[in-house]
Amino acid sequence: ETGVTQTPRHLVMGMTNKKSLKCEQHLGHNAMYWYKQSAKKPLELMFVYNFKEQTENNSVPSRFSPECPNSSHLFLHLHTLQPEDSALYLCASSQDAGRGAGNTIYFGEGSWLTVV
Amino acid sequence: AQSVTQLDSQVPVFEEAPVELRCNYSSSVSVYLFWYVQYPNQGLQLLLKYLSGSTLVKGINGFEAEFNKSQTSFHLRKPSVHISDTAEYFCAVSARSGGYNKLIFGAGTRLAVHP
Repeated sequence: ETGVTQTPRHLVMGMTNKKSLKCEQHLGHNAMYWYKQSAKKPLELMFVYNFKEQTENNSVPSRFSPECPNSSHLFLHLHTLQPEDSALYLCASSQDAGRGAGNTIYFGEGSWLTVV
Repeated sequence: AQSVTQLDSQVPVFEEAPVELRCNYSSSVSVYLFWYVQYPNQGLQLLLKYLSGSTLVKGINGFEAEFNKSQTSFHLRKPSVHISDTAEYFCAVSARSGGYNKLIFGAGTRLAVHP
């Protein structure tokens, strides 16, 4: 079992749909992250949660809504997305985002999202 | 503010040849640097990281990187590449804002190893 698991791996949704991406980490970490990876763009940090509290919202549009019910689970709720939101969404975790700047961040395999 | 520049978007190389992937960073504080690799259709995997101490850092799969403070560089090297090294490589620097740490990534370098 991998340390960070993301489901679904692939998702196709219409612009009026509501869907969610799920992430679960089995590493005992306390920080979780959502990153967006688009073609020909650097990885963009979207949200950070530390001990279930949101510590970073990197000016992400409100059509993306994160939820972190506990330190092991992270969701990204999607609503009325645009075609330009099509991308690979990567979930990650680390020991503690508030301490240990050298801590390794562990990534899941990503969820490929296509908005039609 | 911290930032990372990867100087080459693509690097083609023949199998068993040496390779260097270049990374420069900008930081006004103590710096922690990382190299990640992303194989096709997969997430990112840590290759190596520099926190302190020896400026030559050895990682997995035969890769190493050298931290050069005066040149603000952290170039990744491998003396002999394999076809299986074909992947996207990302350099990253740890940044701190609002009391929390996060990774700032470069745009990535696509390494294509040819037979």
